[in-house]
This record gives sequence, C-alpha cells and structure tokens, in this order.
Amino acid sequence: NAGVTQTPKFRVLKTGQSMTLLCAQDMNHEYMYWYRQDPGMGLRLIHYSVGEGTTAKGEVPDGYNVSRLKKQNFLLGLESAAPSQTSVYFCASSYGGPFSGANVLTFGAGSRLTVL
Amino acid sequence: QQPVQSPQAVILREGEDAVINCSSSKALYSVHWYRQKHGEAPVFLMILLKGGEQKGHEKISASFNEKKQQSSLYLTASQLSYSGTYFCGTVHEQNRDDKIIFGKGTRLHILP
Repeated sequence: NAGVTQTPKFRVLKTGQSMTLLCAQDMNHEYMYWYRQDPGMGLRLIHYSVGEGTTAKGEVPDGYNVSRLKKQNFLLGLESAAPSQTSVYFCASSYGGPFSGANVLTFGAGSRLTVL
Repeated sequence: QQPVQSPQAVILREGEDAVINCSSSKALYSVHWYRQKHGEAPVFLMILLKGGEQKGHEKISASFNEKKQQSSLYLTASQLSYSGTYFCGTVHEQNRDDKIIFGKGTRLHILP
C-alpha cells in the first residue's frame, strides 16, 4: 500500500520553464491538497480538491494551476516558473473533509523544486 | 489566515515537559496537530473538535478552548523521539470551505 506518492522528488528549473508535479494516492481518498513549505513560513495551502473534477484555491494560488481528472491523481502545474516558487511541495489526501470527522491528512514525501 | 503558534522554538532536556500553543482570530470548528521530523513528511497526531475536549496520545495530549479560539499541545516527560517541528492546522467554523490552514510551526529540540 503506497499511500501518497509524489513525482518527481527533486527538480531544477530555469525561470520561465513549465512543469507538472504529480500526486497519486491509492487509498480512495476524496480530498486532496497541495501545500508549499518554505523556511519560517510553515505549510501554506496552494490549491485543493474535494473530489474528482473539482478544484479550489487555497491561500497562495497565484502562479499555479491544478487538475483532478481522476480521483486518485492531483496535478500541480507551474506554467512559467519563478524563483519565488522555489520550495518544497507537499501533497496530502484525506478520506473525508474537515467537517466529516474523517479528515486525517496523509502526506506524500515531498517534492523539492528549485527555480534558477 | 494562518493560526499563530508559540513559541517558535524550544529546547528541552529529555524528561522535561513542553507546551505548544496555537491561536486563531476566527472561530474554529477544529484544530489539527501534526509533527514533522527533519526531511520527512508531516505525520498526524490528533484532531480536536469544538466542544473543548481534550485528547491524549501516550504522553502527548491536547486541549481546545473554542471560546478563546486556542489549542495547546502538551508533551509530558519528553523523549528524544519528540524532536521535530509541530504544526497546528485550523478549520474555521464560518467558512465551511474545507480548508485546513497551518501555522508556521514550532521547532522542538530534545537534548539527551
């Protein structure tokens, strides 16, 4: 049982390049989240999804797009990478939402992105 | 809005107790606590729902005061394995928008 898998684990980009981070979960979870973690800033919510085909903005959505075409996958895209997007990105999923009582987040191992 | 955690960092000797606080400016439905060890993913500790209940997990427990919109995490007789960064995540009562907003974290270092 893999849980939450993020690919790639590491990536170096040049300013202006595009890329997609993939989050895959095999737990049949409805809710999926993308957070970024920067030193001293904690975990900040970028986008999230409450089910297949849905997405919503978090605290820091600018410069990112997401898609949830399949229930098990949540993609985070950077169309034109900027140095300010250098960060560690964590994907998380849960069976239910925050008001369901089944909202334990399982996090992936993280993806470290450097934009030069 | 991010909840505010205090202290930002704390250093303890093994066996000492620690308290980590989390406060919000908005009414809360629930508070979530996670621990992250260096280079690893955050791991779930506990969820507290509004109602002021206190939960425990071995020597780690937490309380939630919904009137003050505050939660505290208590680590009793700390062990070396407790070292890491602790995050509280909050769910706001009013918005009902399924967001879990985390604080900036509290770094805990346990010395032998």
